[in-house]
This record gives sequence, structure tokens and C-alpha cells, in this order.
Amino acid sequence: DVKVTQSSRYLVKRTGEKVFLECVQDMDHENMFWYRQDPGLGLRLIYFSYDVKMKEKGDIPEGYSVSREKKERFSLILESASTNQTSMYLCASSSTPGTGPQYFGPGTRLLVL
Amino acid sequence: AQSVTQLGSHVSVSEGALVLLRCNYSSSVPPYLFWYVQYPNQGLQLLLKYTSAATLVKGINGFEAEFKKSETSFHLTKPSAHMSDAAEYFCAVRTYGSSNTGKLIFGQGTTLQVKP
Repeated sequence: DVKVTQSSRYLVKRTGEKVFLECVQDMDHENMFWYRQDPGLGLRLIYFSYDVKMKEKGDIPEGYSVSREKKERFSLILESASTNQTSMYLCASSSTPGTGPQYFGPGTRLLVL
Repeated sequence: AQSVTQLGSHVSVSEGALVLLRCNYSSSVPPYLFWYVQYPNQGLQLLLKYTSAATLVKGINGFEAEFKKSETSFHLTKPSAHMSDAAEYFCAVRTYGSSNTGKLIFGQGTTLQVKP
């Protein structure tokens, strides 16, 4: 079974803090994704990566950055957390050529005070 | 460009009744389609996938979906709802671009309520 893990299930941070969300997958997938999920807005893609050190912006990259130094790990960074970044963050991975599904982690619920 | 529309943000059924969750897609190329389920405070779990093989796709937990090209639909059904089916359901279509990264476009989701 594919396993995608996220470093925290719940996180509380203060405005202005730098926040790291980590995601690890164990299936040697080339592609990894970060989404945020908000009520009424569905899933929105923040960033994705199709190879180590490669990344592309998704639909809502502002205020976020990512890092992929190793194939199995994809980190989402909030450079200076703001209250409007309070959300559920979901990580996913998939294999190339991308005709298969994405596999999701359990999510991190982030509260920024 | 690809897109997905889920008709009905909330669906309520009685336990034992038929479940029908609607999904229509738009795609200029043969689509790859997926249904996911999300239980409260959890990630998305793959229910089933259509990848151009059989048009009737069986998934986990007794769910199935039928791909109808003429109607551009991929509706999710289950003959008899269980209380444990209460969750949010997402339909998704794979996008095509310059890289084969498997980006997905998700519908807005349908919350299924099951009444005893």
C-alpha cells in the first residue's frame, strides 16, 4: 500500500512565524503535490514537484514556498504565517506518467493566531 | 482544458437507499477520472478510477461508477447506503500539460448524509 505521511495532524502557530509542513511518501513516486482545503472552496493546488529540486506553481502559490531535496520528501513553507493561511493542508503523490491516481496523506490542520 | 462539475453540494439518503452522486466532466482528450472519499479530519482516499478500460468501474466499499462518454458523466452509485458512508466525496479529472505529472482538477465535493 502507498503510504503518505505528514509531520503533524494539528499545528498552532502565531502570525509572522515561519512554518514548515513536511510530507513523506514511501512509493518512490516522482510527483508530489501540496493542496489547501477550505470550506466551500474545495481543494486548491499550491505547488507541485515532478522531480527532485523541480517545482511548479499551482493555482495559489502566494505566501508559500516548497522544497524537494530528496525524492521521498516534499516540504511546504509558510515564510511568514498569516491568519488567512489557517486551513487544512493536504499532501499527495503520484507516479509518472501520471495516468494513475494521487495518493493523499492524512492532512495537517493549521491554525494561525 | 479539463473541468469537473459535481451536481449537488449536499445529498441526503436513508440507510439502505440508493446512493447517487453526480459528476460531469469536460475534456478535449480521453479523460482519466477518479472518485475520492474524505471522512472528517482525514485525507482523501481513492474510491475508484477510470482509465479507459471498462466503462463500469467497481471500487471499494461497494461503490461503482459508470463512464458515459455521450453524457460526459461519471456518476458514483451504491445500491444500499450504510451509516458509515457519510462523508464528503470528490470527483476529479486528470489534466494534460507539458509534463506528465498527473495533476488533477477536483470538483467542489458532495457531502453525503445518511439518515437512520
